[in-house]
Amino acid sequence: QSALTQPASVSGSPGQSITISCTGTNSDVGGYNYVSWYQQYPGKAPKLMISEVSDRPSGVSNRFSGSKSGNTASLTISGLQAEDEADYYCASYASSGIYVFGTGTEVTVL
Amino acid sequence: EVLLVQSGAEVKKPGESLRIPCKGFGYSFSTHWIGWVRQMPGKGLEWMGIINGGSSDTRYSPSFRGQVTISADKSIGTAYVEWSSLKASDSAMYYCTAIAGGSSGWYLWGQGTLVTVSS
Repeated sequence: QSALTQPASVSGSPGQSITISCTGTNSDVGGYNYVSWYQQYPGKAPKLMISEVSDRPSGVSNRFSGSKSGNTASLTISGLQAEDEADYYCASYASSGIYVFGTGTEVTVL
Repeated sequence: EVLLVQSGAEVKKPGESLRIPCKGFGYSFSTHWIGWVRQMPGKGLEWMGIINGGSSDTRYSPSFRGQVTISADKSIGTAYVEWSSLKASDSAMYYCTAIAGGSSGWYLWGQGTLVTVSS
């Protein structure tokens, strides 16, 4: 089971929008609507930001949104803020019955 | 309060065994899956495996099958990951996480257990 592919880093200025891609295969991202996204600050546990491709848990800012097309899922952060600077990981259920993470993306607010 | 609580940091020698717990509070342990995630220093998240809190159905990621044993005791709402013979390369932060059946969002996370294996 290979890790899903994410860009290593994405940056943007405050107020801008950025999009992080997460590319898998028909056996994971493309095969199920079970894609989720996690935010992780250094030294902290990950936090769920998006589940089921585009559902936002209670308490998560509506500046975060998710989508999927084919084998690629995306996380968009709009109105970028300094507090959004963190690592972001996608995850997907896979046909093997287990889950797989993305390679992770470091978001920098310029 | 709904949370997962993990044990404190461990320092072990190569070849030693280790079992680290993850205890759930404030939710139905039996209706959730528990996952174990490894994060090596400066690296990304890796799924080790998942276990159903009610049935103990266990699934391992290929990289971890045969390397660790994941188990659960639903009577005390606790999941475990265990090594029979640690290696230096097992040094990492280990997180447990929980998901409700039918969802894809791992919404509960433990605080992590740092394991250091060094002679």
